Amino acid sequence: KNEVEQSPQNLTAQEGEFITINCSYSVGISALHWLQQHPGGGIVSLFMLSSGKKKHGRLIATINIQEKHSSLHITASHPRDSAVYICAVTIIQGAQKLVFGQGTRLTINP
Amino acid sequence: DAGVIQSPRHEVTEMGQEVTLRCKPISGHDYLFWYRQTMMRGLELLIYFNNNVPIDDSGMPEDRFSAKMPNASFSTLKIQPSEPRDSAVYFCASSLQVWGAEQYFGPGTRLTVT
Repeated sequence: KNEVEQSPQNLTAQEGEFITINCSYSVGISALHWLQQHPGGGIVSLFMLSSGKKKHGRLIATINIQEKHSSLHITASHPRDSAVYICAVTIIQGAQKLVFGQGTRLTINP
Repeated sequence: DAGVIQSPRHEVTEMGQEVTLRCKPISGHDYLFWYRQTMMRGLELLIYFNNNVPIDDSGMPEDRFSAKMPNASFSTLKIQPSEPRDSAVYFCASSLQVWGAEQYFGPGTRLTVT
């Protein structure tokens, strides 16, 4: 079983819909990251959080440390939000390193 | 700042050849990371440096891979000899601190080994 699991793996929605992508992890962590990878391949860090909730524009990220779960929400989705969203955690056991989920491919149709 | 710079952007080589990937981190960043992305395994951390010193190379797949950071503004990832299974996109990223701050990714180098 992977240490970081994302769901769904693929998501297609219509423009304007509210989007939720989930991330669950099975190890102790010091932080959780949400990354965005556009079709061109570039990777951008969206959020780094260790507790609570962060908001940036139409994007909201939440984390529940007790349940080992995080969600990424997109409000009023737009075709330009189409990308792969990757959850990653920095683990606190052994040698600290970044462990990635497999990614969620989001497609927003106009 | 221009961001993290990687070169080349694309590399096609034959099996057995030496491949060198290059990275220039953002000026002032203390940490540099090398990642590999494949369809099968997704993103994986290969190695990271702090102040030019390799800290964790446990993700380096085997002795054919080596990485150096001779100064604060330059790092290389070398594969010798290359094999078809090394075909992937290799990303370099840098950050001000490793576990508390945002990592800035370069555009990646797409490596194809035939």
